[in-house]
Amino acid sequence: EPEVTQTPSHQVTQMGQEVILRCVPISNHLYFYWYRQILGQKVEFLVSFYNNEISEKSEIFDDQFSVERPDGSNFTLKIRSTKLEDSAMYFCASSGGTGNEKLFFGSGTQLSVL
Amino acid sequence: KQEVTQIPAALSVPEGENLVLNCSFTDSAIYNLQWFRQDPGKGLTSLLLIQSSQREQTSGRLNASLDKSSGRSTLYIAASQPGDSATYLCAGPEASGSRLTFGEGTQLTVNP
Repeated sequence: EPEVTQTPSHQVTQMGQEVILRCVPISNHLYFYWYRQILGQKVEFLVSFYNNEISEKSEIFDDQFSVERPDGSNFTLKIRSTKLEDSAMYFCASSGGTGNEKLFFGSGTQLSVL
Repeated sequence: KQEVTQIPAALSVPEGENLVLNCSFTDSAIYNLQWFRQDPGKGLTSLLLIQSSQREQTSGRLNASLDKSSGRSTLYIAASQPGDSATYLCAGPEASGSRLTFGEGTQLTVNP
């Protein structure tokens, strides 16, 4: 079965450093998302991406965050200057052609900011 | 703004028992609702997606219902097995837009 893949599975960084989290969505999907889950808290929406542009973003997704689809397969989340409170599990997800379909999640990148 | 809550927060049952997990949402203009399973340290696996025009969806031993008027969804698990032990999350979209709002989850333990 097709799956969303994320790399790396774990990322440790120093406060203030830039990180790039990478995702390969399912190949024929058109909608792409980033969510995050801080330990012990709910899964939170960050951003959705469709037709090569951001379609929606949350209050969390400030100027420190950016997303890119640099080629036909990868989807990246960049955090420019990490803060301690950015420590979380970051999930990439994708869905099919209508946006009203099942969401398929990757296994996540655990980001630890020291 | 959509708010999603789940009860109970945790549930422990003996193997073989039938059980129901509950999910409540505030925006009844919801156009679908999804149930997910999350294993420790892993991603989320979509179990069932119910469209607003449907009242329920079934997959194997799982049955999910959706009642928009009361703002509730339930996930019924029949003949539970130890392999069903996981956290179950429900999530609904905002009336407009693509973001999903997740509940806190129900941590299920099925004891052999």
